[in-house]
Amino acid sequence: DAGVTQSPTHLIKTRGQQVTLRCSPKSGHDTVSWYQQALGQGPQFIFQYYEEEERQRGNFPDRFSGHQFPNYSSELNVNALLLGDSALYLCASSLGLVRSVEQYFGPGTRLTVT
Amino acid sequence: GQNIDQPTEMTATEGAIVQINCTYQTSGFNGLFWYQQHAGEAPTFLSYNVLDGLEEKGRFSSFLSRSKGYSYLLLKELQMKDSASYLCAAPLDNYGQNFVFGPGTRLSVLP
Repeated sequence: DAGVTQSPTHLIKTRGQQVTLRCSPKSGHDTVSWYQQALGQGPQFIFQYYEEEERQRGNFPDRFSGHQFPNYSSELNVNALLLGDSALYLCASSLGLVRSVEQYFGPGTRLTVT
Repeated sequence: GQNIDQPTEMTATEGAIVQINCTYQTSGFNGLFWYQQHAGEAPTFLSYNVLDGLEEKGRFSSFLSRSKGYSYLLLKELQMKDSASYLCAAPLDNYGQNFVFGPGTRLSVLP
């Protein structure tokens, strides 16, 4: 049973550049949520995708955008990178929009902006 | 709004018992979650409380008091592999799928 997978595992970008991170949900899941986790802090909710649409969004600027594909995989795009965007980006998957007791997280992508 | 607070660091000895506290203020209540996160890894689900009281699951137990906005995670018979961050989290809404997390408590288990 394939869990949540993310790529790449590590990434180094320069301030002002754009980055795309990818996530494949756990087998059987169709909903993907993205979180940003700065060093030493808890994850912060960015947004959630279901049926290829953004369903819920946290307090993040428009520089953060996403997409979900028909196969339920998802991308997170960040434009005009800032030093403060350096963080671990986590993807979590679940089934539908019905409450689930737990979310399954991927291993994350570590983004460093220099 | 949602606000969750927990101690940032704790240290305990192998074989001991440790209690990690969490206080929360949420606009609604849809349960309280605990996750474990080893350094550089994904958070993994530990427990979920929606009613007051203690939920026991092996060496780990979680307690909730809704009237006090308080929860704790109790870890018994500590092992070195329990060294990790422990995240307290509350759902953002009644769908319960997206969370606000506390800052995490980094637990170091010493021999």
